[in-house]
Amino acid sequence: GAGVSQSPSNKVTEKGKDVELRCDPISGHTALYWYRQSLGQGLEFLIYFQGNSAPDKSGLPSDRFSAERTGGSVSTLTIQRTQQEDSAVYLCASSLALANQPQHFGDGTRLSIL
Amino acid sequence: GENVEQHPSTLSVQEGDSAVIKCTYSDSASNYFPWYKQELGKGPQLIIDIRSNVGEKKDQRIAVTLNKTAKHFSLHITETQPEDSAVYFCAAPAWGGATNKLIFGTGTLLAVQP
Repeated sequence: GAGVSQSPSNKVTEKGKDVELRCDPISGHTALYWYRQSLGQGLEFLIYFQGNSAPDKSGLPSDRFSAERTGGSVSTLTIQRTQQEDSAVYLCASSLALANQPQHFGDGTRLSIL
Repeated sequence: GENVEQHPSTLSVQEGDSAVIKCTYSDSASNYFPWYKQELGKGPQLIIDIRSNVGEKKDQRIAVTLNKTAKHFSLHITETQPEDSAVYFCAAPAWGGATNKLIFGTGTLLAVQP
C-alpha cells in the first residue's frame, strides 16, 4: 500500500509482558515518528528517527520503552515489562526529511494491558 | 521550545453552518502549521497546512489563516456536513523548525448536527 502501515492493529497482553509494535513507513520517507495517544487525549511525542542521525528519544516515558529502525525503513517500538498505564494507541508517522514536511500517520496499534 | 494551545475543546454546529478552531503558538520562529482530522479508530489525516510566507490558504470548504504577529492560526470549515464530525488537531514545529518534530494541540471534537 501507499500509506504508513502499522501492525498489529490491536494487541492485548498481560501486565509484565513485553510487546513489539511495528511500523512500515511510506517508501522514500527517511523521517519516522512514534506517538502515543491515550483515550480521549492528544498526541504525545515518543521518538523521532531522521536518516542515519541519532534518534531523538526525548519523549520516551521510561527506560522500558525503546525503538529501533533497521535499514532506514521499518521501525519497531518495544515496551518491556508492560504496565496498565501503557494502555493507549501507538501511532507511527513518516515524512520526507526536508524541513516542514507533512507527517503521514498510520492507523495505530491499540494496546491494552490487562 | 514550542507550546501550542487549541480552543475550543468541543464544538457543536448545525449542518451548513461554519466552524472555527483556533490555535496559538509560542515560538516566533515557527514557520509551518498543519491541521489534522482524526476519525474514530483511525490515525490523524493531514487536511491542510500553511507556511509562514502566506496569511491564508484555502482548499474547497476548508481554509487556514495565520497571524504571525499575534502568533495564532485558525481552521475554518464552511458549509459543514455530518462527515466533518471528527477530532481536529493543530500543530507547530518544535524548536522553530530546527527539527521535523511537531508539537500538537490538545484537539477539538467537532460535532455537526444534521
